[in-house]
Amino acid sequence: GAGVSQSPSNKVTEKGKDVELRCDPISGHTALYWYRQSLGQGLEFLIYFQGNSAPDKSGLPSDRFSAERTGGSVSTLTIQRTQQEDSAVYLCASTPWANNNEQFFGPGTRLTVL
Amino acid sequence: SQQGEEDPQALSIQEGENATMNCSYKTSINNLQWYRQNSGRGLVHLILIRSNEREKHSGRLRVTLDTSKKSSSLLITASRAADTASYFCATDDNNAGNMLTFGGGTRLMVKP
Repeated sequence: GAGVSQSPSNKVTEKGKDVELRCDPISGHTALYWYRQSLGQGLEFLIYFQGNSAPDKSGLPSDRFSAERTGGSVSTLTIQRTQQEDSAVYLCASTPWANNNEQFFGPGTRLTVL
Repeated sequence: SQQGEEDPQALSIQEGENATMNCSYKTSINNLQWYRQNSGRGLVHLILIRSNEREKHSGRLRVTLDTSKKSSSLLITASRAADTASYFCATDDNNAGNMLTFGGGTRLMVKP
């Protein structure tokens, strides 16, 4: 079946603009994760959704970042009033259940804030 | 914050040689995973080792886990040019429960 997909693959925006990044997890996967990866660095956890439970937002770096997951499937990560330090690759991953198993990653969205 | 620290940060070897990458972490874990990333995009899961396991094999990959030292190693035997990528260890933190904490990665270059 199809893997995790993300859109857009690349996004260039001007400082101060809002952006929306989309993630389509693998069908039937109940857990969805967002990570951020700055150039040459490891992944930084942002937010996690599991079923209908309240999301774990502990990794969001500021209140300019928010995410939704509608209908337990598609998720949107929104960054308001983007700053240059927001430039990074934003990766989404899903798992069949949130029990610390293999995570399936999408190809990421490369965000560049000018 | 990054729990895992990887060593070396970069490794360059000739095709056919073995590549060893190390990962250290700080807290107790349920399991440790290794992922591969090509060209700074999506990650591919390689292998998972649970906290009660000491060694695991998958094809040319061998992973060890020493929970007393809070460290793991990934060995790629008989490396190929196609193994060129970044390799990350990731731990699940007992306290956090659900998300993975990634190390900074090792950039491996295998020269043909």
